[in-house]
Amino acid sequence: EAGVTQFPSHSVIEKGQTVTLRCDPISGHDNLYWYRRVMGKEIKFLLHFVKESKQDESGMPNNRFLAERTGGTYSTLKVQPAELEDSGVYFCASSQVTGSYGYTFGSGTRLTVV
Amino acid sequence: QKEVEQDPGPLSVPEGAIVSLNCTYSNSAFQYFMWYRQYSRKGPELLMYTYSSGNKEDGRFTAQVDKSSKYISLFIRDSQPSDSATYLCAMSSYNKLIFGAGTRLAVHP
Repeated sequence: EAGVTQFPSHSVIEKGQTVTLRCDPISGHDNLYWYRRVMGKEIKFLLHFVKESKQDESGMPNNRFLAERTGGTYSTLKVQPAELEDSGVYFCASSQVTGSYGYTFGSGTRLTVV
Repeated sequence: QKEVEQDPGPLSVPEGAIVSLNCTYSNSAFQYFMWYRQYSRKGPELLMYTYSSGNKEDGRFTAQVDKSSKYISLFIRDSQPSDSATYLCAMSSYNKLIFGAGTRLAVHP
């Protein structure tokens, strides 16, 4: 089966611009998660979708971040406007079972804001 | 205080050595304990998970959880150069993972 696919793999944008990251989960996985790792920090939870509904968005840093999962398939994470501190690696993961093991992570999108 | 503490290393060992990786945590509500392996420019890959206290073995890997001490370990026997990666512990109480900082391991021939 195909894994979790994220693109772009790398994005460099200027402060103030908008960037949209995309995640295609494993087919049939209702649970989709976004995590990110900023420089020198641990990987941290951003939010969790079950199908198209946001189950938990407690990790979203501020209202410059908007996640969507229309139709319960792929998801997008938009950052608008981007700030320097948004630089990091954004990971998407999916799972079939709602719970906290058995995630499959994508390779991540490395975002650099200059 | 961080919820999960993990020594970032780096840890360098010769091929064939036994490697011990550890994490401590503060939240007694954690129920699931996981170890992920991450190669450079890749996403974390689930190695092992355990529920509650005890040991779990899978090939050369053994995971231990001691909830009374809030301490988890991963042992790698007969380490290989291909084991060189960053190892992340992660814990959860329900629907999100709390990661440690990751320990960078290098196994040299």
